Amino acid sequence: DAGVIQSPRHEVTEMGQEVTLRCKPISGHNSLFWYRQTMMRGLELLIYFNNNVPIDDSGMPEDRFSAKMPNASFSTLKIQPSEPRDSAVYFCASSRALPGGPNEQFFGPGTRLTVL
Amino acid sequence: AQKVTQAQTEISVVEKEDVTLDCVYETRDTTYYLFWYKQPPSGELVFLIRRNSFDEQNEISGRYSWNFQKSTSSFNFTITASQVVDSAVYFCALSEARQSGGYQKVTFGTGTKLQVIP
Repeated sequence: DAGVIQSPRHEVTEMGQEVTLRCKPISGHNSLFWYRQTMMRGLELLIYFNNNVPIDDSGMPEDRFSAKMPNASFSTLKIQPSEPRDSAVYFCASSRALPGGPNEQFFGPGTRLTVL
Repeated sequence: AQKVTQAQTEISVVEKEDVTLDCVYETRDTTYYLFWYKQPPSGELVFLIRRNSFDEQNEISGRYSWNFQKSTSSFNFTITASQVVDSAVYFCALSEARQSGGYQKVTFGTGTKLQVIP
């Protein structure tokens, strides 16, 4: 079975440009997470979807960041306009939420974003 | 509020040595879950173990073992006879348990970088 798929794997862009990161979760998983990882701040949860509905977006740094999940098999994280401080590795993860407790999350390979 | 502390930023050991990675957590919930993930140099995080707060039995999986101590709010991870392939960043994580199964925010520690020297 395919794991979590993210694209692109690497993105280099210039400040002010729009960046769109894409994620395909594992089939059958109903929870999706976007994380950002930097040396300074470690692994941060940006937003969490359950059954395609955003549940917690308190980790989204500011209005320049937006995320959507139009269906169970696709999600996007958009940064507009991008800034150099957005440079990081962005991970998408999915899991199957069950009553009584959280399950392990399966992570994608990440997108390494560099904003010049 | 949940918090996970991994005080060891980096650890270096010589191959075949045993090593323990510490994890201390804080939560107000009586029901919660703890996790360990491994992030090898390739970058992708890999799930290792999940443990709920009602199960304090230690667990062993091959060279890996986990010691859950509720009294000290710790969930430590030991690698026995370490190998070069164990070199990675290891994250401890904490999640509340919801009866509805709906929201399952996971709080990650800052990670411990383990280097196993041949």
